[in-house]
Amino acid sequence: NAGVTQTPKFQVLKTGQSMTLQCAQDMNHEYMSWYRQDPGMGLRLIHYSVGAGITDQGEVPNGYNVSRSTTEDFPLRLLSAAPSQTSVYFCASSLRGTSGDRTQYFGPGTRLLVL
Amino acid sequence: GDSVTQMEGPVTLSEEAFLTINCTYTATGYPSLFWYVQYPGEGLQLLLKATKADDKGSNKGFEATYRKETTSFHLEKGSVQVSDSAVYFCALSDPFNTDKLIFGTGTRLQVFP
Repeated sequence: NAGVTQTPKFQVLKTGQSMTLQCAQDMNHEYMSWYRQDPGMGLRLIHYSVGAGITDQGEVPNGYNVSRSTTEDFPLRLLSAAPSQTSVYFCASSLRGTSGDRTQYFGPGTRLLVL
Repeated sequence: GDSVTQMEGPVTLSEEAFLTINCTYTATGYPSLFWYVQYPGEGLQLLLKATKADDKGSNKGFEATYRKETTSFHLEKGSVQVSDSAVYFCALSDPFNTDKLIFGTGTRLQVFP
């Protein structure tokens, strides 16, 4: 049971380049989300999904795109990287519903540097 | 909107000292409250949680009590260890969309032998 996995662990991009951060979970969780972590600002929600085919914006969605074609995968796309997107990105997943363990499980993170 | 405020760090303690990390929140409705811990180079892990007023969450010697009257959820541990050195995040679940978490800025704890 791998939990939540993220690739790559570290990436350097040039301004204007695009890339996809991968996130996968093997716990059959309906809810998946992407956060960015910046010094002094905690974690901020970028996008989230409550199931395959359903996505929505979080607090800081600009410059990012997501899709959810399967329950397991939730990739985050940077359309045209900017230095302001230099950050550590975390993916998380959880069950939904009103009962059971709805703890959010986090991946190990992807550290992104945009030059 | 809903928000979480944590004390700024770093908090520096000697081993076996008493730890308190303050957390207060602003929310409409009745959110669940959480403490997450992030060890160096890792993602966040749930440390403890409380889902209603006066509930006490506890785990690994850490405790926090959901205080509705003071809108607080302070984290405490009676005797810290070097291995407790990490960043601690207080969070609440959006009362109207309980899948979503709202995080504080995090408090770094450094414990020295």
